[in-house]
Amino acid sequence: DTEVTQTPKHLVMGMTNKKSLKCEQHMGHRAMYWYKQKAKKPPELMFVYSYEKLSINESVPSRFSPECPNSSLLNLHLHALQPEDSALYLCASSQDGLADETQYFGPGTRLLVL
Amino acid sequence: GEDVEQSLFLSVREGDSSVINCTYTDSSSTYLYWYKQEPGAGLQLLTYIFSNMDMKQDQRLTVLLNKKDKHLSLRIADTQTGDSAIYFCALVSHSGGGADGLTFGKGTHLIIQP
Repeated sequence: DTEVTQTPKHLVMGMTNKKSLKCEQHMGHRAMYWYKQKAKKPPELMFVYSYEKLSINESVPSRFSPECPNSSLLNLHLHALQPEDSALYLCASSQDGLADETQYFGPGTRLLVL
Repeated sequence: GEDVEQSLFLSVREGDSSVINCTYTDSSSTYLYWYKQEPGAGLQLLTYIFSNMDMKQDQRLTVLLNKKDKHLSLRIADTQTGDSAIYFCALVSHSGGGADGLTFGKGTHLIIQP
C-alpha cells in the first residue's frame, strides 16, 4: 500500500479564518513533507519532518504552521492567509527520513483564500 | 540551487511514441524521478532511475540518463489518451542533513491527438 491520504480535498477560507490541512500515511514512513503548488507551476517544498522533528523549513511565512503529532500524521495549520496562498497543497512521505528516498504523494488539498 | 528544465508542451498522435526531455544542473541526486499529474489530481510516481544507470525500462516506459550531459528523458511507447497529463522531472535538492525535498522541473504537458 503506497497511499498517502489528505483531507479535505477542497477548502475555501476567508483571510481571518483558522483552518487545518491533514495528511496521513500507513506505510511506516518516518519522513513527511508539505509542498505548495500554484496553478501551472511545479510543486515547491515548504516543510520536511523527519522522525517527527522539523528538519527543513524553506522560509515559509509564519501564517503556515506545520505539526507532526506522530509518525503517520502531518498537519498544516493555516491562519490569516492571503489570496496569493491559494494553491494545491501536497503532502508526501518517504521511508526513513534519509537523503535521496523516493517520495510518495497524496492527492492534495485545493485551497482557495477569499 | 538546483535548476531543472523541461519543455512546457509536447503534442503527439495516439499510438506514436512520446519523448519528454529534462536537463538539470546539479548531478548529486542519487535517484532521478518522473512524476505524472493528471488534471486536478496529485502527483503519481511514474518511474525513477538510479544515477549509476544509463537506462531503465518498465513496460511502455523507458528512462534514459546521460550524466555527462545532465540529460534525462522519458519515452512512452504507444501513447494512449490516458497518458494525457503533465509530466514532471524531479531531483533531490540536498540540504546536507537527513530527509531532502524534491526540486521539480516546470512540467511538460503531454497532449494526445486522435
